Amino acid sequence: SAVISQKPSRDICQRGTSLTIQCQVDSQVTMMFWYRQQPGQSLTLIATANQGSEATYESGFVIDKFPISRPNLTFSTLTVSNMSPEDSSIYLCSVGERWGQPQHFGDGTRLSIL
Amino acid sequence: DQQVKQNSPSLSVQEGRISILNCDYTNSMFDYFLWYKKYPAEGPTFLISISSIKDKNEDGRFTVFLNKSAKHLSLHIVPSQPGDSAVYFCAARTMNYGGSQGNLIFGKGTKLSVKP
Repeated sequence: SAVISQKPSRDICQRGTSLTIQCQVDSQVTMMFWYRQQPGQSLTLIATANQGSEATYESGFVIDKFPISRPNLTFSTLTVSNMSPEDSSIYLCSVGERWGQPQHFGDGTRLSIL
Repeated sequence: DQQVKQNSPSLSVQEGRISILNCDYTNSMFDYFLWYKKYPAEGPTFLISISSIKDKNEDGRFTVFLNKSAKHLSLHIVPSQPGDSAVYFCAARTMNYGGSQGNLIFGKGTKLSVKP
């Protein structure tokens, strides 16, 4: 399976600031996804990152808060904008090739907002 | 409304015995199911999957059983080893990959502790 690298692995940020998380894959992949895991909760899909077009966001998530870029088939970024303590979560990048095959995950970015 | 439920937040098992992790789902459109294992400070690692055309899939010490009529699946680990101690997530999706219907829906996880 693809090797997925996320940066940063963790960060502590001030309220009102923004942080961009990078996801790099060692091979070209069709589908890239961004998930969030809030404390004690399951993983929730934020959006599907589409190469060459705007990301597709899930209900409850908006582009102004979570802008996503996908400039090529191996790289994507997620920005968490105007952060508040409620944004303290683990953010995970995931990739998939085609249906019927499992998605694979990076190690995540642990974000704490003071 | 949780579509995928793991009702046991934790499970403790003795080394060498069987671990059984359970998962229930409500959406009858789900037809592909996965189990992931997660260690602290790491991302989820894919373990095993099953499609709805099967009722059992086996990979070494890991077996997943699917009961479609009960909308229930389980993961059996035999024999359990201390290295299996982790959080296990059940996930489901429809086979229509892409778009909201193809997204993975996760349970909240079950923390398995295997004691030596």
